[in-house]
Amino acid sequence: SAVISQKPSRDICQRGTSLTIQCQVDSQVTMMFWYRQQPGQSLTLIATANQGSEATYESGFVIDKFPISRPNLTFSTLTVSNMSPEDSSIYLCSVEDRGGRINEQFFGPGTRLTVL
Amino acid sequence: TQLLEQSPQFLSIQEGENLTVYCNSSSVFSSLQWYRQEPGEGPVLLVTVVTGGEVKKLKRLTFQFGDARKDSSLHITAAQPGDTGLYLCAGRPNTGGFKTIFGAGTRLFVKA
Repeated sequence: SAVISQKPSRDICQRGTSLTIQCQVDSQVTMMFWYRQQPGQSLTLIATANQGSEATYESGFVIDKFPISRPNLTFSTLTVSNMSPEDSSIYLCSVEDRGGRINEQFFGPGTRLTVL
Repeated sequence: TQLLEQSPQFLSIQEGENLTVYCNSSSVFSSLQWYRQEPGEGPVLLVTVVTGGEVKKLKRLTFQFGDARKDSSLHITAAQPGDTGLYLCAGRPNTGGFKTIFGAGTRLFVKA
């Protein structure tokens, strides 16, 4: 399975500022995803990060608020823009291992964001 | 809307007890995954079940995939405090697309 790291692991930010979260994978992967996990909740998919093209966003998430970069097959960033306290959450990067016909996802350790 | 319904949502038990967590859907899945997430960490993949009726064991954890591949269960024998965490089931319905669906999760607390 892929080893995934995220930076920062946590941050406390002021309302109206932006934070960029980095995701690094130790191998080349086609599919990378960004999720949000609000306190006590399950995972909500924000977008799929595509290498060489714009990210594909899920309903309720827009590029202006959550711009994503995917410059190569091992790295992606998610920016949370113009933050408000409602953006306080854990943000998770994941990759998919398409070994055979099984589609398994592996997750980074997450970035815990608190917006004051 | 394709959903994975997990039950129970929350479970608090004493060390040594047994428990079962359920994951149900009206959709057919080619495979289902179970994850455990501990506080401050990302979800960690425990197992993937692929074949209808399949049973997989991981120490004290037993995972079963329903015959029709629409449901799965996780049974923990003699739970320990180290089993405490959020258990998530996830899968991709056979109806196409590449979006993985996650259940709402079962939060387990095992008291010593």
